[in-house]
Amino acid sequence: QSALTQPPSASGSPGQSVTISCAGTSSDVGGYNYVSWYQQHPGKAPKLLIYEVSVRPSGVPDRFSGSKSGNTASLTVSGLQGEDEAYYYCSSYAGTNNHVVFGGGTKLTVL
Amino acid sequence: QVQLQESGPGLVKPSETLSLTCTVSIYSISSGHYWSWIRQPPGKGLEWIGSVYGSVYHSGETHFNPSLKSRVTISVDTSKNQFSLKLNSVTAADTALYYCGRRVTGAYFDFWGQGILVTVSS
Repeated sequence: QSALTQPPSASGSPGQSVTISCAGTSSDVGGYNYVSWYQQHPGKAPKLLIYEVSVRPSGVPDRFSGSKSGNTASLTVSGLQGEDEAYYYCSSYAGTNNHVVFGGGTKLTVL
Repeated sequence: QVQLQESGPGLVKPSETLSLTCTVSIYSISSGHYWSWIRQPPGKGLEWIGSVYGSVYHSGETHFNPSLKSRVTISVDTSKNQFSLKLNSVTAADTALYYCGRRVTGAYFDFWGQGILVTVSS
């Protein structure tokens, strides 16, 4: 299984929207609605932001939204705030052997 | 709020076995879900290592990352509410921050430990 493909970096000004992509294959992202997104601040454990493509856990602001089209999933952060500056990782279920695959991560910079 | 805490040696010699334990609090491992290990090499991304199912009906069912499968063992001790990772024949490439986490059926990780840094060096 190969890692999902994310852009290494993304940026936006406060108040703007940014979208981070996560490209996979029909064996992972495209084959199941089990894409999740995580936010990781330096020195901290990852935090679940989105699961099952577009579901936000309790406590996650609605500025964070997820979607999927074909083999590519996306995370959109609207109304950028300084605290959103972090690394973002996507993940997907990857088949009947219950495998999981992560993306390489995207560093989001708030300008 | 499920709590997880990793423990184990922070330094392992090359060719030896890395052994870590994750202690789960507030939630019983035997209630279900997949209990998992994920690692993150310094300055790099996340890598799923493997998972073990905690339910008494499928206790011990494991799934591993194919790239690590030949070197990994994950087991669960429901009496201590812990699960463990063993990675043998380690090299410097296994140096990483190791996280334990709870994986829900939809293949997402909703609770994570704080992580433990393991360095492979002589």
